[in-house]
Amino acid sequence: QLQLQESGPGLVKPSETLSLTCTVSGDSISSASYHWAWIRQPPGKGLEWIGAIYYSGTTFYNPSLKSRVTLSVDMSKNQVSLRLRSVTAADTAVYFCARQVAHFYYYLDVWGKGTTVTVSS
Amino acid sequence: EIVLTQSPGTLSLSPGERATLSCRASQSVSSDYLAWYQQKPGQAPRLLIYGASRRATGIPDRFTGSGSGTDFTLTISRLEPEDFAVYYCQQYVTSWTFGQGTKVEIK
Repeated sequence: QLQLQESGPGLVKPSETLSLTCTVSGDSISSASYHWAWIRQPPGKGLEWIGAIYYSGTTFYNPSLKSRVTLSVDMSKNQVSLRLRSVTAADTAVYFCARQVAHFYYYLDVWGKGTTVTVSS
Repeated sequence: EIVLTQSPGTLSLSPGERATLSCRASQSVSSDYLAWYQQKPGQAPRLLIYGASRRATGIPDRFTGSGSGTDFTLTISRLEPEDFAVYYCQQYVTSWTFGQGTKVEIK
């Protein structure tokens, strides 16, 4: 059974870099059928797609975050990673990773439970 | 960027009633690229519908998606207690965006 688990620091200081990892179990991230996405949800608010990465390293970013985001893959560990630079309080959110289907149909079918990141000094 | 506007913001209904949720896009969206999710407090979203009308694996048939172009609808035929939650639509054209959500609450 496919499972995704986000991990990383729960507290990040303003202007620093937020770094999170999503560990995938039950399937290989090198599956040709899927991308691996990050989505976030500020407290009490809706969902925002951050970006996605294919196992080859091809990336897709939300234009509003593109200048600050880097996604990467580590196939040896079956992990995808998110780095968000120059964070502010507005980046405080629950961060989810998810498997993204982007072939014929476009949707996010398996999600991790999410990890809460607070930006504060 | 395509904006998805969901209405109403909150729907107050009783178990057994029918729920009709709307998702309107600022530009035309391919039906293949429209999905719906359910989110309960403290949980990750769960995929309900993809391709505007295709139920995801394990989703009960009381959930029905419909629509095309700029207007899409999620209908829950008879609300069960576990259906009270927030529902989001999502689209892809050149990037991925979500609607702001509709909360279905117990009346």
